[in-house]
Formats: sequence, C-alpha cells, structure tokens
Amino acid sequence: AQSVTQLGSHVSVSEGALVLLRCNYSSSVPPYLFWYVQYPNQGLQLLLKYTSAATLVKGINGFEAEFKKSETSFHLTKPSAHMSDAAEYFCAVSPTGGFKTIFGAGTRLFVKA
Amino acid sequence: DGGITQSPKYLFRKEGQNVTLSCEQNLNHDAMYWYRQDPGQGLRLIYYSQIVNDFQKGDIAEGYSVSREKKESFPLTVTSAQKNPTAFYLCASSHVSGSSKEQYFGPGTRLTVT
Repeated sequence: AQSVTQLGSHVSVSEGALVLLRCNYSSSVPPYLFWYVQYPNQGLQLLLKYTSAATLVKGINGFEAEFKKSETSFHLTKPSAHMSDAAEYFCAVSPTGGFKTIFGAGTRLFVKA
Repeated sequence: DGGITQSPKYLFRKEGQNVTLSCEQNLNHDAMYWYRQDPGQGLRLIYYSQIVNDFQKGDIAEGYSVSREKKESFPLTVTSAQKNPTAFYLCASSHVSGSSKEQYFGPGTRLTVT
C-alpha cells in the first residue's frame, strides 16, 4: 500500500531564509507525486507535480521539489521565504495505475519577520 | 473559468438535523471526492465517485451519504447519525487516467453544528 510521510508538523523560518519541507513516500513503483498549499479557510491549491519526467520540478510561487528515487523522497524547497508563504503544505502520492490520492498529514510553515 | 464551487461557505445547523453540502465542477472530470478536515489534522476521505451513479466509501463514511446523478455534481449529506459533524469539508475532482490526475479543490464549506 502506498503511504506518504511528512517530517515535522510545524516548520518555522525567518523571512529570506531557505524553506525545506520534507516528504517521503512508500510505493512499489515510482508514483505521481504532488505538493499542495492551503491558506486558512481555503481549499488546497496545487503547487507542483512529478509525473516521471524531469526529477527536478518547478512550481508556482518560486517553489521546487526534487524526486529522489533512491531516497523515496520528494522534498519541497524555496530559496528565500516570504511572509506570504505562511500556510499549510501537503505532500500527496497517487499510483500511476490508479487515481486515488493519498495525502500526508501536512506541515504548517511559519515565516518570522 | 473552469473550477469547483462549493456552497455555502459557512453553514450552521442544530444537532439532529440533516444538512446537504453542494459541490459542482465544470472541469469535465470523471472523479469527485469529499474530504473532512479538522483543526491541525490532514485530509480524511469520506466518499469518492469515479463515474456517474457509482460511488465508494472512503475512510470515514459513517454518518454521511452522497449521490452522483450528474457528472458535474456530487452533493454530500451530513446526517444526524454523524456524531461530530462540525468540521471543514472539502470537495475535489480529478481525471482518472493519464498523467494529469492531480485533484482540484473547491473553497470548502465550514459546518458548525450546535
């Protein structure tokens, strides 16, 4: 069965610092992988997705993620945090042969001035 | 513009009443989903539907019911049997095949039952 683990329910960074949100998945074959962002009282918005093309995926708002098969990881990064990045971030996995998506528990990102 | 709409944004009900949450999409997606989100928790799948007139229970279906009479619509009814219905409810849709299976989410409905 597929699963996804996000390390750290809360991450705090200073404005301008590197953002690193960790995600590991378990799957017998490389799946499709996604990162979503959720602002308070809103739905989830897709940041980026990996679908077996390039291993380094660029998304919206300056975020990117790298698929590392050997580490079964798909960590999300952004070189310089902005106050507007404060939100909850969800990593998700979907099997290439199916359509249901498994979501991680989420990581809340705090950005300090 | 294509997207998913949920209405209403906020909903208040008395305990013991059934309530129906609306979800409509014009993305031509075959699959639709309902999730529940509680404070500080992730998403929990309530029901999903891959095709019209068919749906499956998710992880927490007890106390909820759905229908899928049209491709565009997937309403969720929170029944009086749901022991703790106060939560944020999210509807989503997606394709079921190909490489574009990401889910698109509506803005959510916050249900408060007193």
